[in-house]
Amino acid sequence: GENVEQHPSTLSVQEGDSAVIKCTYSDSASNYFPWYKQELGKRPQLIIDIRSNVGEKKDQRIAVTLNKTAKHFSLHITETQPEDSAVYFCAASSGVRTGRRALTFGSGTRLQVQP
Amino acid sequence: NAGVTQTPKFQVLKTGQSMTLQCAQDMNHEYMSWYRQDPGMGLRLIHYSVGAGITDQGEVPNGYNVSRSTTEDFPLRLLSAAPSQTSVYFCASSYLGPQETQYFGPGTRLLVL
Repeated sequence: GENVEQHPSTLSVQEGDSAVIKCTYSDSASNYFPWYKQELGKRPQLIIDIRSNVGEKKDQRIAVTLNKTAKHFSLHITETQPEDSAVYFCAASSGVRTGRRALTFGSGTRLQVQP
Repeated sequence: NAGVTQTPKFQVLKTGQSMTLQCAQDMNHEYMSWYRQDPGMGLRLIHYSVGAGITDQGEVPNGYNVSRSTTEDFPLRLLSAAPSQTSVYFCASSYLGPQETQYFGPGTRLLVL
């Protein structure tokens, strides 16, 4: 099955700096890569996703890049703000082409933005 | 719309007890899933369902049962609770499958003594 590794496990940045979180996946059939944000005590929420037919996607201060050859994708947050402090999860899915219709998550990155 | 709801919010069990975690959604979603969240291990899929009457195992199904008799409800049953099942459990749903936005419930925190 799919295996998703996520680094770093913790990341501390100064307000205004950029933050980068990286993930690698094992199943070459994976073609959907979402990122979820989970604030303390809250439920995970989708912040951005990318499909394998594009290499980069941006939404205001957030961007995701995908390298299918190397099987890795990254989340970039620019001009970080204290409200960006949360745990971020990457995930991967291969959809219906394989037996299990599942989303496999990475282990999470705790981002702290220091004011 | 209430979205995805879960009950209870918190539960304490003794080893060997059984219980059912409830999950319901009012968005007419076909795909529903259960995850457990443990520190440093992310979200791990327990079971999922692609529609009423259809369920399948995820990454960590042992010790858990599910059924899907209606589109709205997807209960998770712990057959004989063990301390290793102490975790936060999240239910999620989406229209058709894992390659869409997953809407998570608020979670159930379970402590097994």
